[in-house]
Amino acid sequence: EAQVTQNPRYLITVTGKKLTVTCSQNMNHEYMSWYRQDPGLGLRQIYYSMNVEVTDKGDVPEGYKVSRKEKRNFPLILESPSPNQTSLYFCASSLAWNQPQHFGDGTRLSIL
Amino acid sequence: DAKTTQPTSMDCAEGRAANLPCNHSTISGNEYVYWYRQIHSQGPQYIIHGLKNNETNEMASLIITEDRKSSTLILPHATLRDTAVYYCIVRGNSGGSNYKLTFGKGTLLTVNP
Repeated sequence: EAQVTQNPRYLITVTGKKLTVTCSQNMNHEYMSWYRQDPGLGLRQIYYSMNVEVTDKGDVPEGYKVSRKEKRNFPLILESPSPNQTSLYFCASSLAWNQPQHFGDGTRLSIL
Repeated sequence: DAKTTQPTSMDCAEGRAANLPCNHSTISGNEYVYWYRQIHSQGPQYIIHGLKNNETNEMASLIITEDRKSSTLILPHATLRDTAVYYCIVRGNSGGSNYKLTFGKGTLLTVNP
């Protein structure tokens, strides 16, 4: 089954403790992206990747890192998480940047 | 990207057609209209997209006005499972800022029994 898989689905952690949210897709998609969703602010793009080793900032990249060493994986790294990064995070992928995106089920992060 | 304007919320009776409007009066010639929806806290789901011709797929129909300044997403027979936030997004087909996908606030469609 074609899908975008995020892990973990839920995480409660503390300020400053590095964490990684993994994202994997099995559709051989070139384009991958991370979004965060907050009440009243909607979905905002954090980072995107056009292909392996090609990444760029979205609208809210501060405090996040990404890497794209393999086509299928696009992890989101929070080096020093802070409470304002408490949010619902979605990973998405598409065949190319201008094609419809497939979204994962989301990761709910709480940073205390 | 051109901005879009959608009503904040709409209601629809189960079994009836749901018509969701979107205004994109500043759309330019190479910009597509995309529709996604998000059922409560799930990942957004792609529905349909078009440039200037009307489009139909198994989920919905997209009607774009001749001047392309507005469009309507039609769910022909709404069910309770169609209750969701519907996002209308305009995105160009050339590079640069179009590499990003920008969601607005969307329309909360509530389908009532």
